[in-house]
Amino acid sequence: GAGVSQSPSNKVTEKGKDVELRCDPISGHTALYWYRQRLGQGLEFLIYFQGNSAPDKSGLPSDRFSAERTGESVSTLTIQRTQQEDSAVYLCASSLVAGQFSRYEQYFGPGTRLTVT
Amino acid sequence: AQSVAQPEDQVNVAEGNPLTVKCTYSVSGNPYLFWYVQYPNRGLQFLLKYITGDNLVKGSYGFEAEFNKSQTSFHLKKPSALVSDSALYFCAVTVRRTGANNLFFGTGTRLTVIP
Repeated sequence: GAGVSQSPSNKVTEKGKDVELRCDPISGHTALYWYRQRLGQGLEFLIYFQGNSAPDKSGLPSDRFSAERTGESVSTLTIQRTQQEDSAVYLCASSLVAGQFSRYEQYFGPGTRLTVT
Repeated sequence: AQSVAQPEDQVNVAEGNPLTVKCTYSVSGNPYLFWYVQYPNRGLQFLLKYITGDNLVKGSYGFEAEFNKSQTSFHLKKPSALVSDSALYFCAVTVRRTGANNLFFGTGTRLTVIP
C-alpha cells in the first residue's frame, strides 16, 4: 500500500519568508509525528498528533513553528519568518496506536529538504 | 529524561564479517527500543523493535538486536555483512506510557561495508 508521502521534496526559501510543509500519513494510522534532521545529526522530535487528542507540541523549538492536522489525515507544518538555522530535512512519520501503549513502529516519509538562504 | 547514545559515528567492516552497531539508552520506565536504517537519498526504514519477551529480536535483512537490561544496551548485529548494508543506522527509544510516544533518536552510526 501507499506509504507516508511528503511535499515538497525540496524547498528553497529566503530568510524571513513563511513555508508550509505537507504530510500525508498512511491511511488508518492514527498517530502522526514531525521530526527535524539537521545535517549530520540525529532526529529531533517536533510535534505529535494522536486522534482527536491535543497535540504534544513539546518539541517545537520556537513559536515560529506550528502544525495542524485534519482529523486523522493530512498534516501541515508551518515555519514563519524562516531563519537560516531552520535549514534541515523535515521528516513526517505515522503509526498505529492501539490501547494505552505505543507498541507500533513509525513509518517515515522521504522528508522535505528545507534550505533557507 | 529519555536519551539514546550511539558511541560510534562510523563503523567499517569487511564484507562477510560480522557487524555490530552499538546503542545504549537511558529512560525512566520500561523502554521500547527500535532500530531504523537510512539509505542514501531515502527515508528512514524500520528494521526491528524490542517491546517485551525474548531479549533477542530478529528483523529485516538478517539483522538482529539484543536487549540487555542490566547494561541498558540494544546493540544491532548481523552475522555476515553485505556491501548493500552500507547506510546510516539510528537507534531509538520510547517509554511505555500513555500519551505522547515520540521516539528519542541517537545521532546515528554510519556503517560502511568494504568489498
